[in-house]
Amino acid sequence: NAGVTQTPKFQVLKTGQSMTLQCAQDMNHEYMSWYRQDPGMGLRLIHYSVGAGITDQGEVPNGYNVSRSTTEDFPLRLLSAAPSQTSVYFCASGQGGGGGYTFGSGTRLTVV
Amino acid sequence: GENVEQHPSTLSVQEGDSAVIKCTYSDSASNYFPWYKQELGKRPQLIIDIRSNVGEKKDQRIAVTLNKTAKHFSLHITETQPEDSAVYFCAASIVRGTGRRALTFGSGTRLQVQP
Repeated sequence: NAGVTQTPKFQVLKTGQSMTLQCAQDMNHEYMSWYRQDPGMGLRLIHYSVGAGITDQGEVPNGYNVSRSTTEDFPLRLLSAAPSQTSVYFCASGQGGGGGYTFGSGTRLTVV
Repeated sequence: GENVEQHPSTLSVQEGDSAVIKCTYSDSASNYFPWYKQELGKRPQLIIDIRSNVGEKKDQRIAVTLNKTAKHFSLHITETQPEDSAVYFCAASIVRGTGRRALTFGSGTRLQVQP
């Protein structure tokens, strides 16, 4: 039982490049979310999913796309990286009906 | 949408003292309130949570209180130890049956416990 697995752990991109941050969970959780964490701003919701095939936008969705083709996977795509997207990205999953989220170990992304 | 405000942003206490962190939320429909601890360079981890049908919950040195009328909730840590030093986040969400909304987080409190 690995919990929530995020890859890569570190990434440096050039402005304009695209990439996908991977997130996978093996707990059969319905709910999955992507957050970005910037100093002094807590965790801000980018996109979330309430089940396979269902996604919705969070507080800061611009510049990011998601899809949820399976219960296990919830990748986050950066379409054209910008320096403002330099951040630590966390994927989290949780069960329906409440209970805490389980977070992945995070991806530290730098856009130069 | 939901807005969660958290105070203070930094808190320094002496070892053995108590620490209190306060949060307010805006959506009266929110009914699930977890607290997370994040050590430097690590992922956030759930330390305690409370539902709106409960006013207080304790787990050893940690307690959370909820005032639904005032829409605020607090984390209390007693007999603080150096290993309690971390950033603490409050959050709020709506949970109904098997459904839920994504968590909205406060901006965090950096707790420093001085030995």
